[in-house]
Amino acid sequence: AQSVTQLDSHVSVSEGTPVLLRCNYSSSYSPSLFWYVQHPNKGLQLLLKYTSAATLVKGINGFEAEFKKSETSFHLTKPSAHMSDAAEYFCVVSSPFRDMRFGAGTRLTVKP
Amino acid sequence: NAGVTQTPKFQVLKTGQSMTLQCAQDMNHNSMYWYRQDPGMGLRLIYYSASEGTTDKGEVPNGYNVSRLNKREFSLRLESAAPSQTSVYFCASRTYGTPTYEQYFGPGTRLTVT
Repeated sequence: AQSVTQLDSHVSVSEGTPVLLRCNYSSSYSPSLFWYVQHPNKGLQLLLKYTSAATLVKGINGFEAEFKKSETSFHLTKPSAHMSDAAEYFCVVSSPFRDMRFGAGTRLTVKP
Repeated sequence: NAGVTQTPKFQVLKTGQSMTLQCAQDMNHNSMYWYRQDPGMGLRLIYYSASEGTTDKGEVPNGYNVSRLNKREFSLRLESAAPSQTSVYFCASRTYGTPTYEQYFGPGTRLTVT
């Protein structure tokens, strides 16, 4: 079985401060992990993915995530938040020949 | 290359009515998926089709049926709509059997059942 837990349903930061969105996963297989972003009333866009190459993964718009097997975590970070980062973020786990499982989402608010 | 397209974008149904949501992809992907998105619950898988000619239930299949018409198209049917099916529906596709390939999503269909 595989599942994802996003530890915060809502995160609020000020513009220019760091962003941390937390994700823990469970998987019986060697997982692939993804972060997707959804802006209001839009579809889902891939931010980054971990596929067992480098444990530190860089994505679009300055985001990155670190895969930590010992902690079963895949937290998303960005050094400096921008107003345009305000959106909902989903952590997703996938395994061979199985479907993808989504976390419940974390809504990021960026204050001016 | 349009990616994943969905029709319609919006729909309002009365309880008991039926409708079909259409999805098509032009990326030659063999797997296609239908999700529903409800506030605070992320995306939940309704049905998926690993390859042409096969379909399987996901987490929340009750009240829905699907048809994999060909490699490109995957439709979702609500036979007798209920208010609990008010949601945003997303179609997605990817290459099956290789977990490292991400899913590509359509723009969504916002469905309201009154």
